[in-house]
Amino acid sequence: GEDVEQSLFLSVREGDSSVINCTYTDSSSTYLYWYKQEPGAGLQLLTYIFSNMDMKQDQRLTVLLNKKDKHLSLRIADTQTGDSAIYFCAERPGSARQLTFGSGTQLTVLP
Amino acid sequence: DTGVSQNPRHKITKRGQNVTFRCDPISEHNRLYWYRQTLGQGPEFLTYFQNEAQLEKSRLLSDRFSAERPKGSFSTLEIQRTEQGDSAMYLCASSLAKGQRETQYFGPGTRLTVL
Repeated sequence: GEDVEQSLFLSVREGDSSVINCTYTDSSSTYLYWYKQEPGAGLQLLTYIFSNMDMKQDQRLTVLLNKKDKHLSLRIADTQTGDSAIYFCAERPGSARQLTFGSGTQLTVLP
Repeated sequence: DTGVSQNPRHKITKRGQNVTFRCDPISEHNRLYWYRQTLGQGPEFLTYFQNEAQLEKSRLLSDRFSAERPKGSFSTLEIQRTEQGDSAMYLCASSLAKGQRETQYFGPGTRLTVL
């Protein structure tokens, strides 16, 4: 079955790097996504990675994928106060259309 | 702004009333999704359309829920005889599917409160 797990909270100092972790269980997952949600708002797509990739970098964001351990991480370099939000990991098996989300990680950036 | 839009943004209703939400997807996106998000949780899939056809419904979608996308553009989600357990954020997403590649873009959501 599909299950996506994330740690609930992460606090970092402004300027440090943040690493948000996610594990998934569906071995057929082909696409993995990171979304950001600010209070009272919808989800903003940050980045995504296909399962035939190990890493993807996009400006301050770096996604690492360990297929053997079914582990996905999102690293935010030079974290700013505007990065404070809930970050969701989501998987989509290649045969499915819908996304399965984790419960989200609340990132708090301290000044 | 050409993103996904949803209306209304907030809806407060009394138990037993019917409510309808609207979603306008990104222009030319052929797929449209509805998700529900409760406090402290990630979104959960409800249903999706490819053009005007409703192709999949989650078991979360009870018979009090109905969704339509009559012309393959905007979609409506109706909840009949609302219950307090229906209180949640209802999120719409759209995508332009090309083979297996697909990225869903979300709207701001409609927050429903059932008293």
